[in-house]
Amino acid sequence: DADVTQTPRNRITKTGKRIMLECSQTKGHDRMYWYRQDPGLGLRLIYYSFDVKDINKGEISDGYSVSRQAQAKFSLSLESAIPNQTALYFCATSDFLHTQYFGPGTRLTVL
Amino acid sequence: GESVGLHLPTLSVQEGDNSIINCAYSNSASDYFIWYKQESGKGPQFIIDIRSNMDKRQGQRVTVLLNKTVKHLSLQIAATQPGDSAVYFCAEGIQGAQKLVFGQGTRLTINP
Repeated sequence: DADVTQTPRNRITKTGKRIMLECSQTKGHDRMYWYRQDPGLGLRLIYYSFDVKDINKGEISDGYSVSRQAQAKFSLSLESAIPNQTALYFCATSDFLHTQYFGPGTRLTVL
Repeated sequence: GESVGLHLPTLSVQEGDNSIINCAYSNSASDYFIWYKQESGKGPQFIIDIRSNMDKRQGQRVTVLLNKTVKHLSLQIAATQPGDSAVYFCAEGIQGAQKLVFGQGTRLTINP
């Protein structure tokens, strides 16, 4: 069973729509992260959370919001999707040892 | 600013040969480094990490070398197999920041 799961795995939506990507983990980690991956740009941090009461912006948070519903759940929302948010989105978790473990990703296409 | 990069964007090796993937980093304050493997359609998978108080660490068929003098990191894969074909990228961690800075990746192709 996967330790970090993401839903949906693929999503096609239209400009202006609200989209929520969900992440769940069974690793028992406190820290959770959302990244986007674009060709040639690597992984870029959107938001991160060190516990359920902690939310921090990453390097590219504009146009995104997050919610940490529980230790095991961290969701990413696009309030009004735009085409340049088309990308692969990854959720990751880590414990105090720093190594991050990634989910399988969500491929989002905004038309 | 801090940056992590890779010298070679693509690398092709013959099955059974050894491969070396390189990574340069710029922040001397970084105290840990991680190599990830990403296969097509999958999320990055942890391979091996190394702390800044070490210069070498070995895993199963993989060895990571850290040269802090020149801020260089490498991943050696021994006796490559078709399943090793993937994108490999390094990540740099900064003590207390709990964030990783990722390189862009090198695509490794294993030729039969």
